[in-house]
Amino acid sequence: EAGVAQSPRYKIIEKRQSVAFWCNPISGHATLYWYQQILGQGPKLLIQFQNNGVVDDSQLPKDRFSAERLKGVDSTLKIQPAKLEDSAVYLCASSWGPGSGNTEAFFGQGTRLTVV
Amino acid sequence: AQTVTQSQPEMSVQEAETVTLSCTYDTSESDYYLFWYKQPPSRQMILVIRQEAYKQQNATENRFSVNFQKAAKSFSLKISDSQLGDAAMYFCAYRRGAQKLVFGQGTRLTINP
Repeated sequence: EAGVAQSPRYKIIEKRQSVAFWCNPISGHATLYWYQQILGQGPKLLIQFQNNGVVDDSQLPKDRFSAERLKGVDSTLKIQPAKLEDSAVYLCASSWGPGSGNTEAFFGQGTRLTVV
Repeated sequence: AQTVTQSQPEMSVQEAETVTLSCTYDTSESDYYLFWYKQPPSRQMILVIRQEAYKQQNATENRFSVNFQKAAKSFSLKISDSQLGDAAMYFCAYRRGAQKLVFGQGTRLTINP
């Protein structure tokens, strides 16, 4: 089966500009996650979707970050305006929904964002 | 809130030797899952091994095995017969049901030829 697809792989922007990342999860996966991984740290959840509804966005900086998953399939994560501290790798992951008995989350290759 | 701690920022091992990576976690739950993920320079997280908390038997996947101590909230990863391809960042992670994965800070593993 095809894996989790993310684009772009790399992005360099100036501070105060906007940027968007795209993720296409594995077909049939109801749950989609966006993680932020700052260099030298473990990934931190930004937002979790169950189909097209938000399950957890408690650590999403809502004044500048937004995410959507309109049709319950692919998703976009946007940052506007970007700050220097947003430089990180943004990882998308997907998994089967609750009750499936399968707990494995599959990750994409991530987008490395550099804000200058 | 659940937390995961990896106290070894870096580890190194000679090729073909055995190495153990440590992980401790904090939770008040009794039913959860623990994972070890490998992240090579390509950045893609790859699942190495998974442990269900309700299972007493330690999980094993070929050269990878865990030592799960539920009472001590400890979950270490043992890599036997280390290979050059095992070099990567290793992350311990906790998950309850369909909730988010909570990751540790990671351990960078170097394999010396």
